[in-house]
This record gives sequence, C-alpha cells and structure tokens, in this order.
Amino acid sequence: DTGVSQDPRHKITKRGQNVTFRCDPISEHNRLYWYRQTLGQGPEFLTYFQNEAQLEKSRLLSDRFSAERPKGSFSTLEIQRTEQGDSAMYLCASSLLLPPQQRRSYEQYFGPGTRLTVT
Amino acid sequence: GENVEQHPSTLSVQEGDSAVIKCTYSDSASNYFPWYKQELGKRPQLIIDIRSNVGEKKDQRIAVTLNKTAKHFSLHITETQPEDSAVYFCAHQSGTYKYIFGTGTRLKVLA
Repeated sequence: DTGVSQDPRHKITKRGQNVTFRCDPISEHNRLYWYRQTLGQGPEFLTYFQNEAQLEKSRLLSDRFSAERPKGSFSTLEIQRTEQGDSAMYLCASSLLLPPQQRRSYEQYFGPGTRLTVT
Repeated sequence: GENVEQHPSTLSVQEGDSAVIKCTYSDSASNYFPWYKQELGKRPQLIIDIRSNVGEKKDQRIAVTLNKTAKHFSLHITETQPEDSAVYFCAHQSGTYKYIFGTGTRLKVLA
C-alpha cells in the first residue's frame, strides 16, 4: 500500500495517560498535516510540517499536544495527560510541494486515522 | 479570517436529481479549493479541486465553480446515484498553506 498509513487505528486510554500516534506519509511527499475530527464536524487543522520543519501550529492547540517529524519522513503526534475532550479521530494527510518553477501540486491525501477514546 | 462556511448541512435529493453545495471563505490569499467525500467510518477522499485562476472545472458528473470576487465556491453533482450518499467537505488552502475545512454536508440520495 503506497498511501498514507497511521498507527494505531484505535486507541483506548484512561484520562491522564499519554498517547503517541504515528503517521507514515506517501513516500515522496514533503508536507505532512495533522487534523482532529469529531463526529459531525470537518477535519480541524492541528499542525503541519514541510520536511522536518514544523511550520504552523493551531492557536487552539493545547501545549499538551506535540508533534515531530525528525527525519522529514514519518511523524508522531503525542498527547500528554489526556482528557475526555481529546476523544476524536486524529487524521494525518500528506502532499507534495514542488518548487515554484514546476507545476504546483496541492492535492492532499488522508490516512485512515487513529480513533482515540479517553475514558 | 480563515474560516469557511458550508451550506446546507444536510441535503436529500431523489436519485437522478442534481445536488449543489456551497461554501464561502474570507481569506483573500486562498488559492486552492478542494472538495472531499467522506463515507461513514472512512477517510476523506479528494473528489475534485479547483485553483484560483480557473472559474469552473468538471469531471464527469461532478463540477466545481469558483467566484473569487465574491469568495464562494460550489460543488455540483448531476444525475445523483445512491452511492453518492456521504458527507461532503469543502476546504480552502489559506495564505499560510494550511487547509481549512467546512463543517460538512450530509448528502442523502433517495432511491
């Protein structure tokens, strides 16, 4: 499968525990995005990377959330001291940003998501 | 602001009829407008997109129109089929290259 993959697909944790999710983007994609989606809502932007640099983080994102992309390939999203309000689907997406002199490609492809339930 | 408003939130149409979903954005720097289809329990799938230098794009039964002056764009599905039933999200790429999504439209195609 050459698409975006995420692990685990489901995570149940007790309030107060830390959790970490992994995303493997499409191999040649240099941009990677994290979103959170709750039932009946659209994906909510959390943060994104270009290669290993984290370029933007949502102002709404608590400091309990941290993301890394150390080698510019896979990324991890960690939530510390989880709360029941963190229960959601966490989606990863990737895209390829080409240099300005090449035809721009903006298509973003999503992974299957990690469903987090905090009890 | 970066938000995007999407209407309607739910839409029911008879099989074979057309469906139209509209979105309005406010970021003048937005230059890319994708539409995603999400079936229950699955990931959002890109179905069509349009860039700001184009006013309309069509792919078989699906079309998207963009009015950059008025800052709104629409998804048109013709000859709807039951398998078109899903939640549809509009999005735009902001000036800072992040994607902002609408709140979704639940489309139900009645056989």
